[in-house]
Amino acid sequence: RKEVEQDPGPFNVPEGATVAFNCTYSNSASQSFFWYRQDCRKEPKLLMSVYSSGNEDGRFTAQLNRASQYISLLIRDSKLSDSATYLCVVIASGGSYIPTFGRGTSLIVHP
Amino acid sequence: DAGITQSPRHKVTETGTPVTLRCHQTENHRYMYWYRQDPGHGLRLIHYSYGVKDTDKGEVSDGYSVSRSKTEDFLLTLESATSSQTSVYFCAISDGGLATTGELFFGEGSRLTVL
Repeated sequence: RKEVEQDPGPFNVPEGATVAFNCTYSNSASQSFFWYRQDCRKEPKLLMSVYSSGNEDGRFTAQLNRASQYISLLIRDSKLSDSATYLCVVIASGGSYIPTFGRGTSLIVHP
Repeated sequence: DAGITQSPRHKVTETGTPVTLRCHQTENHRYMYWYRQDPGHGLRLIHYSYGVKDTDKGEVSDGYSVSRSKTEDFLLTLESATSSQTSVYFCAISDGGLATTGELFFGEGSRLTVL
């Protein structure tokens, strides 16, 4: 079983839709969580960190469920420019600081 | 944007030749990483460094070596390139949460083709 798992999609949604992605992780000692966005043939860029209490940044909301070991990303009012691959990143506590990436979820927003 | 650059950005080489990719940072971050990204596999860790001369293997380290003689530079070497090493290579840096939330900053990637 891969340490960090995501549904690869693609999620194909119309503009204005709300879409949600989940990411599950296997290491219960994980301490830090992030969502990254990657455009085609570009480097990943930080979308948002994920905090225990959940956090929101404009149209984006991230949640952490430690009991069930998953994080989620909710995108409201989808824009064409949201089309990208969304990567979840999990970092375990203790020892060296080693981020583990999910394979990414592809989102396509169409007119 | 974080100060991180990779070179070369594109390289075509032949099987059996040595290749070195360079990652340079100006952020003084402790951690540096080399990932490769292939369709269907996502980002996989090759090697990482947690300080000058301190490196360790990642998930897919076979056929690769690294060196970090200065805080700002992390080199990835393919001693004898093979076609299976054709990929996009990303360097990333992090301070491990010392002064930030611990996020990674990525270079723009190096696209390597081994013929």
